[in-house]
Amino acid sequence: GDSVTQMEGPVTLSEEAFLTINCTYTATGYPSLFWYVQYPGEGLQLLLKATKADDKGSNKGFEATYRKETTSFHLEKGSVQVSDSAVYFCALSGGSNYKLTFGKGTLLTVNP
Amino acid sequence: DAMVIQNPRYQVTQFGKPVTLSCSQTLNHNVMYWYQQKSSQAPKLLFHYYDKDFNNEADTPDNFQSRRPNTSFCFLDIRSPGLGDAAMYLCATSRVGGDQETQYFGPGTRLLVL
Repeated sequence: GDSVTQMEGPVTLSEEAFLTINCTYTATGYPSLFWYVQYPGEGLQLLLKATKADDKGSNKGFEATYRKETTSFHLEKGSVQVSDSAVYFCALSGGSNYKLTFGKGTLLTVNP
Repeated sequence: DAMVIQNPRYQVTQFGKPVTLSCSQTLNHNVMYWYQQKSSQAPKLLFHYYDKDFNNEADTPDNFQSRRPNTSFCFLDIRSPGLGDAAMYLCATSRVGGDQETQYFGPGTRLLVL
């Protein structure tokens, strides 16, 4: 079955540091890939997505590129802010069952 | 703004006392989902509606039920909450036929069972 493996946290960075959160997947066919962010006590917000190989999703300074050859969708940001502190979930959706398969989540803490 | 709304944001119930959580959406999406999320874990899908068709996950306990009276509203009923049902409950929606694979989440309802 489909699965998502993402970098285990927690990740602690200083403000303005470079962020990478690794995500790899296993899926049949050609899934769509997503990053969701969850701030404390809140629901999940869609951060970015990519629907086919070599697509780059971007939003709020975050980027991720759909790499079919390495089955990866790593999240990057050049300069993190304290307000980026949250849990980040990598997820995929494939086939016709409308379901999301999530990674376990990565807690990011950014210190001033 | 089009959105997914969940009420209440916090719900306290007693062990064994039925509770209903509410979700509404103004996105006009035809699929609505309910997830359970426990601390430091990924959301776990309980069930979803595709229009009026109900789709239960194989491992969802019978204690959890759902109703979707119309396109905009969906309810999660917990018939006899146990201490292990304390969690964040997330509603999400998606649209088949358009951007069908993207799910949009509400803010969640945090359930506490005393």
